[in-house]
Amino acid sequence: AQTVTQSQPEMSVQEAETVTLSCTYDTSESDYYLFWYKQPPSRQMILVIRQEAYKQQNATENRFSVNFQKAAKSFSLKISDSQLGDAAMYFCAYRSPLTGNQFYFGTGTSLTVIP
Amino acid sequence: DVKVTQSSRYLVKRTGEKVFLECVQDMDHENMFWYRQDPGLGLRLIYFSYDVKMKEKGDIPEGYSVSREKKERFSLILESASTNQTSMYLCASTGPRGPQHFGDGTRLSIL
Repeated sequence: AQTVTQSQPEMSVQEAETVTLSCTYDTSESDYYLFWYKQPPSRQMILVIRQEAYKQQNATENRFSVNFQKAAKSFSLKISDSQLGDAAMYFCAYRSPLTGNQFYFGTGTSLTVIP
Repeated sequence: DVKVTQSSRYLVKRTGEKVFLECVQDMDHENMFWYRQDPGLGLRLIYFSYDVKMKEKGDIPEGYSVSREKKERFSLILESASTNQTSMYLCASTGPRGPQHFGDGTRLSIL
């Protein structure tokens, strides 16, 4: 089974600064999907950004962008101009098109934004 | 937008009770999932279903069962609730490609 590792249980960032959350994964597949989810204290998991492995261009959604390094099996999330509302748990997830019904999640990174 | 609705946000039950957690999605998704979320452990898959009446065990199925009689509804059943099943339960659905969509979660306490 694929494994997803988030090595930073907790991170903090000053408001308006930039922070990068790391994620690595282990797979032998060449085609797959990667996602970052945000879970604020209100609890609902919200999709932040997605990346398809066959696309070389890094995905961007407003202040959120990824650094996808396929050879290194790394998928980090960069949050620019951090805001208080960015404080949440962030989960990295992997989806295999071969076993397309299963997702694999990291254990999460808790992000604190300091005013 | 996809809507995944879990029947309860908070639930308190007693040891030994049979507990039902309900989940409904409105996007005609084939795949539905039940996860358990505990601090430091992330999301652990209990069961998933890829079609009506079909189910597959996830990583931690012991003590749980599921039912999928209709495509839009996926129920998680705790046959005889125990205190170690106190947790946050998340339901999700997805189509053939793309992300999972989650419900709001049910915080279940077993006393």
